[in-house]
Amino acid sequence: QSALTQPASVSGSPGQSITISCTGTTRDVGGYNYVSWYQQHPGKAPQLLIYDVTNRPSGVSSRFSGSKSGNTASLTISGLQPEDEADYYCSSYRSSDTRVFGGGTKLTVL
Amino acid sequence: QLQLQESGPGLVKSSETLSLTCAVSGGSISSPSYYWGWIRQPPGKGLEWIGNIYYSETTYYNPSLKSRVSMSIDTSKNQFSLKLTSVTAADTAVYYCARLFFPFGDFHDWGQGKMVTVSS
Repeated sequence: QSALTQPASVSGSPGQSITISCTGTTRDVGGYNYVSWYQQHPGKAPQLLIYDVTNRPSGVSSRFSGSKSGNTASLTISGLQPEDEADYYCSSYRSSDTRVFGGGTKLTVL
Repeated sequence: QLQLQESGPGLVKSSETLSLTCAVSGGSISSPSYYWGWIRQPPGKGLEWIGNIYYSETTYYNPSLKSRVSMSIDTSKNQFSLKLTSVTAADTAVYYCARLFFPFGDFHDWGQGKMVTVSS
């Protein structure tokens, strides 16, 4: 089962905005509006940031936003803060009631 | 507040069966609103979905693991379980249990994870 494609790493300075892409196919990202994003700090469990492409759970900062165009979903973090340094994963519903994750992106705050 | 807690052996011998349980508190595992899932993460690597189970015992597995995976649910104990047979070193990972919203939902809530090492 092939994973969704994410850049291995991205970086930005405090206060800047960055975008992480997540590319799939029509069987997953492009075919359904069920893309989610997760933040994982070292040694910790992942935490949900975005669900259903654009929705934020309560308690998640409005600096995190999601979007989708065709087979590619994106996570944008605005006003970068040092505590945003973490690994980020996308996930999508895939046909036949399965799920798939992206390979993960390491965000470095310079 | 929902809590999920993984438990089971932290060391499994190669070719044997890995068995983990996820205890759920603060919510009912019998709710038709949720799936219950397993995800794993090898050291230094990314997340891999293993499978989901519904309260009705319907299961959905990652095609790449399907021949070795089975999941079960025990509504009387409010817990669900994972079995992975014929393990190798490649199955060494942190194993997480999670709750998903039915039918298309995300991994909304996560356990803290259980490190399982496969030894030769």
